[in-house]
Amino acid sequence: DAGVIQSPRHEVTEMGQEVTLRCKPISGHDYLFWYRQTMMRGLELLIYFNNNVPIDDSGMPEDRFSAKMPNASFSTLKIQPSEPRDSAVYFCASSERVNTIYFGEGSWLTVV
Amino acid sequence: SQELEQSPQSLIVQEGKNLTINCTSSKTLYGLYWYKQKYGEGLIFLMMLQKGGEEKSHEKITAKLDEKKQQSSLHITASQPSHAGIYLCGADWGSGNTPLVFGKGTRLSVIA
Repeated sequence: DAGVIQSPRHEVTEMGQEVTLRCKPISGHDYLFWYRQTMMRGLELLIYFNNNVPIDDSGMPEDRFSAKMPNASFSTLKIQPSEPRDSAVYFCASSERVNTIYFGEGSWLTVV
Repeated sequence: SQELEQSPQSLIVQEGKNLTINCTSSKTLYGLYWYKQKYGEGLIFLMMLQKGGEEKSHEKITAKLDEKKQQSSLHITASQPSHAGIYLCGADWGSGNTPLVFGKGTRLSVIA
């Protein structure tokens, strides 16, 4: 079975550019999560959805970040405009329940 | 504030040696989850502990949750290079209804 699929796996972009990260959750999973991982702060929850509805976005750093889930099989995390401090690994994860989550392999973002 | 501390931050062990990683919660846990992350990859679910005093094993990895449900340990017996990676604990403080909060991880290196 396919796991959580993320794209792109790696992205290098210039400061000020728009970045869009994509995620396809595991089929049948009702929950979708976006996490960000950095050396300094570890793994932080940005936002999560239940049945395509955003439940908690309190972890989204600022208005430059937005996330959408237009249907059960697709979600995006957008950063506009990007800044060097946004450089991190962004993970998408999904689950049937809110815990025991399954992670994608991550999108490695570098903003120069 | 709710906190989850992992120790040590990093660990280098010789192949064949045993090791222990600890995860301490600032408050009683509803559940404690262990994940492993290989360098450059996503997180893989290892096991979940929920009952005080519970112990689970998977191959050479054993995890325990203390009676007070505030501390968990992950023990690896006869370490191998395949055990190398980052081990993260995730806390469920919300009766199974809230997303996991993760520790910063323990980076394990196994040398021949």
